[in-house]
Amino acid sequence: GAGVSQSPSNKVTEKGKDVELRCDPISGHTALYWYRQRLGQGLEFLIYFQGNSAPDKSGLPSDRFSAERTGESVSTLTIQRTQQEDSAVYLCASSFSGALYEAFFGQGTRLTVV
Amino acid sequence: GNSVTQMEGPVTLSEEAFLTINCTYTATGYPSLFWYVQYPGEGLQLLLKATKADDKGSNKGFEATYRKETTSFHLEKGSVQVSDSAVYFCAVNRRGNEKLTFGTGTRLTIIP
Repeated sequence: GAGVSQSPSNKVTEKGKDVELRCDPISGHTALYWYRQRLGQGLEFLIYFQGNSAPDKSGLPSDRFSAERTGESVSTLTIQRTQQEDSAVYLCASSFSGALYEAFFGQGTRLTVV
Repeated sequence: GNSVTQMEGPVTLSEEAFLTINCTYTATGYPSLFWYVQYPGEGLQLLLKATKADDKGSNKGFEATYRKETTSFHLEKGSVQVSDSAVYFCAVNRRGNEKLTFGTGTRLTIIP
C-alpha cells in the first residue's frame, strides 16, 4: 500500500475484554515496530519485528500483551483482559532493514478502555 | 542500549523567533540520528535525518548537525512560523540494532 495502515482507527472496549489491533506495513518493509503513546506523553516502545521474528519485545508491559507477524506482512497486537491503563494510541511503523532507513508511521489506533 | 535525552517542554516562542531544541544521545558504534514531527491531529513523520558524523540534515527550514564529539543532534530553525507548532521527537538508531529509540518529545507552540 501507499503507507502504513492501521485498523481500527478507534476502539472502545470494556475493561476485561480482549482487543486485537492490526497493522499493514508498507510493502517490502521487513522491519516493523509497535509503540504506545499515552495522552500528552512520549513514545513507549513495545516490540520490534524483523521479518516474522521478534528480536526485541522488551517493551511489552505485561503478559497480557502479545504480538505476531505473518511473514513480512501484517502484524497484530493483542491485549488480553484490558485495563483502563491500557488506554492510549497504539502506533505501528515499518521500514526497510538497516539503520540508515527511517521508519514510516501509521495513523494509530486510539484505544479507550471503559 | 541506546538512549536519547531531549529538551524538556513545552516550549513557547513568538513567530519569527530562533528555535533550538536540544537532543543528546547515548549509543555505541555509529548511529543514525533522526528528528520526527507530530503535527496536531496527525501521525508522526520524518522531519530530517543524518547518518554519519558531521552530516547536516535539513528540511522545511529546520536543520540539525550530527556531532559525534558531543553526541548531540540539536534541532534549529532561524525563523519559526505558527505552522511549526507540533511535538518534535529526536531518535537514534544504531547500525546492527535497528530499533529506533525515541526521546520523550518536545511540544512547541508558536504564537503570532
